[in-house]
Amino acid sequence: DSGVTQTPKHLITATGQRVTLRCSPRSGDLSVYWYQQSLDQGLQFLIQYYNGEERAKGNILERFSAQQFPDLHSELNLSSLELGDSALYFCASSAGTGPWDEQFFGPGTRLTVL
Amino acid sequence: DAKTTQPNSMESNEEEPVHLPCNHSTISGTDYIHWYRQLPSQGPEYVIHGLTSNVNNRMASLAIAEDRKSSTLILHRATLRDAAVYYCIRGDYNNNDMRFGAGTRLTVKP
Repeated sequence: DSGVTQTPKHLITATGQRVTLRCSPRSGDLSVYWYQQSLDQGLQFLIQYYNGEERAKGNILERFSAQQFPDLHSELNLSSLELGDSALYFCASSAGTGPWDEQFFGPGTRLTVL
Repeated sequence: DAKTTQPNSMESNEEEPVHLPCNHSTISGTDYIHWYRQLPSQGPEYVIHGLTSNVNNRMASLAIAEDRKSSTLILHRATLRDAAVYYCIRGDYNNNDMRFGAGTRLTVKP
């Protein structure tokens, strides 16, 4: 158990819909990262927040957005969903924000878009 | 662009050492080298990381070439539970963008 929690575990929805994925970091960690893992693209970094502020951005689509709240939990919002958005979405947390920081990954949310 | 190159797959026998190679020829002086692994149906887990010197921890050892263009993850005695996809990643100092490549799928045979 990494200490990172993600809800829900599974999500099934239809194209065009909007969903919100939630992540609670390990106690004391200030950074939250979001990743997407699909069969054809592998594990892709989406975005990082540190103490409420956006810190780094990866291959995140404009239809996707994220935020980190004062209690440090984070939400990833996915809108206008397409079939290709079906994937595993992982959240990770770390204590700091440097490239030397160990990231702890949650169990993931499996999103299926029908 | 994952910025690292790894073999797609490797096999090992149980209780034998495993050397997993990674090329990162365009690494910059401030980039860290991280290794994570992903067991089936789980999120990735941290294995080890380093900058210039070789590193050891309870899970593995990391040997970094002198020119830092390559590194090797060493599992000293592979167990069946070590079967996973191993990712070698450059920790980019400038934007903290951890780019996972396709990784190496390690199979451990009993």
